[in-house]
Amino acid sequence: DVKVTQSSRYLVKRTGEKVFLECVQDMDHENMFWYRQDPGLGLRLIYFSYDVKMKEKGDIPEGYSVSREKKERFSLILESASTNQTSMYLCASRDRDRGLTDTQYFGPGTRLTVL
Amino acid sequence: AQKITQTQPGMFVQEKEAVTLDCTYDTSDQSYGLFWYKQPSSGEMIFLIYQGSYDEQNATEGRYSLNFQKARKSANLVISASQLGDSAMYFCASVPGNTGNQFYFGTGTSLTVIP
Repeated sequence: DVKVTQSSRYLVKRTGEKVFLECVQDMDHENMFWYRQDPGLGLRLIYFSYDVKMKEKGDIPEGYSVSREKKERFSLILESASTNQTSMYLCASRDRDRGLTDTQYFGPGTRLTVL
Repeated sequence: AQKITQTQPGMFVQEKEAVTLDCTYDTSDQSYGLFWYKQPSSGEMIFLIYQGSYDEQNATEGRYSLNFQKARKSANLVISASQLGDSAMYFCASVPGNTGNQFYFGTGTSLTVIP
């Protein structure tokens, strides 16, 4: 079974802090994704990566950056956390070569609160 | 870009009854995939069912079926014989066939199963 893990289930940070959210997958997937989920807005894509050191902006990249130094690990960075970044953050991975039919596999999510 | 619309923020269904969750999509792509996910209160996203744009038959997976009407651009999820454990958020998502990278999610429907 595919396993996607995220470093924390719950995180509380202060405004202005630098925040790292880590995601690791164990299935050698090329594609990895970071979403934020807010009530009434669904899942919105922040960034995705289709290979090591490669990244593409999603729909809401402002205030975030990412790092992918190893294939299995995709990190989301909030350079200076703000209260409007309080949200649920979901990481996902997907096999690039299995065509349309393959799902994204999600981690358990990190609920981030910025005070 | 593709757009997914889920017009039912909340739904109630009696245990053992069937329920339909609506999803419409807007795309100019000829090839695309459609997915449904379940998100219980614990937060993890669970893949339920997939439908490809060229599939002629409606997808089925156990108690889940997808009512795919391509001309109307709708992909409604039907849950038969609802169970208390079906209470959750449900998300419809699409992925275009040309890149297969970015998934587009709807805003979700909260389903409550009443005993």
